[in-house]
Amino acid sequence: NAGVTQTPKFQVLKTGQSMTLQCAQDMNHNSMYWYRQDPGMGLRLIYYSASEGTTDKGEVPNGYNVSRLNKREFSLRLESAAPSQTSVYFCASGGRDRRTDTQYFGPGTRLTVL
Amino acid sequence: RKEVEQDPGPFNVPEGATVAFNCTYSNSASQSFFWYRQDCRKEPKLLMSVYSSGNEDGRFTAQLNRASQYISLLIRDSKLSDSATYLCVVNPFNQFYFGTGTSLTVIP
Repeated sequence: NAGVTQTPKFQVLKTGQSMTLQCAQDMNHNSMYWYRQDPGMGLRLIYYSASEGTTDKGEVPNGYNVSRLNKREFSLRLESAAPSQTSVYFCASGGRDRRTDTQYFGPGTRLTVL
Repeated sequence: RKEVEQDPGPFNVPEGATVAFNCTYSNSASQSFFWYRQDCRKEPKLLMSVYSSGNEDGRFTAQLNRASQYISLLIRDSKLSDSATYLCVVNPFNQFYFGTGTSLTVIP
């Protein structure tokens, strides 16, 4: 039981390049999320998917697209990377913890855009 | 106004001390509340959920005050291993809002 996995762990891009961050979970959760974390800003929601086949914008969706490929996988795409997208990206899946819904995070992708 | 606000600290306390963190939230419709712990350069991990009646897990006690819209975390008998950033999290409508975190360093 790996929980939530993310690839790659590190990536350096040049401005204008594109890439896709992959995320998979094996906990049979319906909900999945993509966040970015920047110093002093905390975690900010980019997109989320409440169930397979649905996606919704979060707080900071501009410059990103997502695909909920199936129940296990939720990918995040940067079509034309910008230096402002330098950040740590976390994927999470949502499940039930005793009495309430909560989230479990992957190890993160550290992205630098030059 | 931010959805969730925390004192960023840092809190530097000696081993064995008791330390408390507070967090305020703006959306009165929020239903679920959590404390997460994040170690340096690692992912956030659930520390504990916060229930209306308050709850305790070993040395950790969480309280919720809906009227004042704040959440607290109390750590008793601090250990060196408690050094981390503690994130307050609020869930109003299937979206999770994170505070910026409170940094704790426990000193030998």
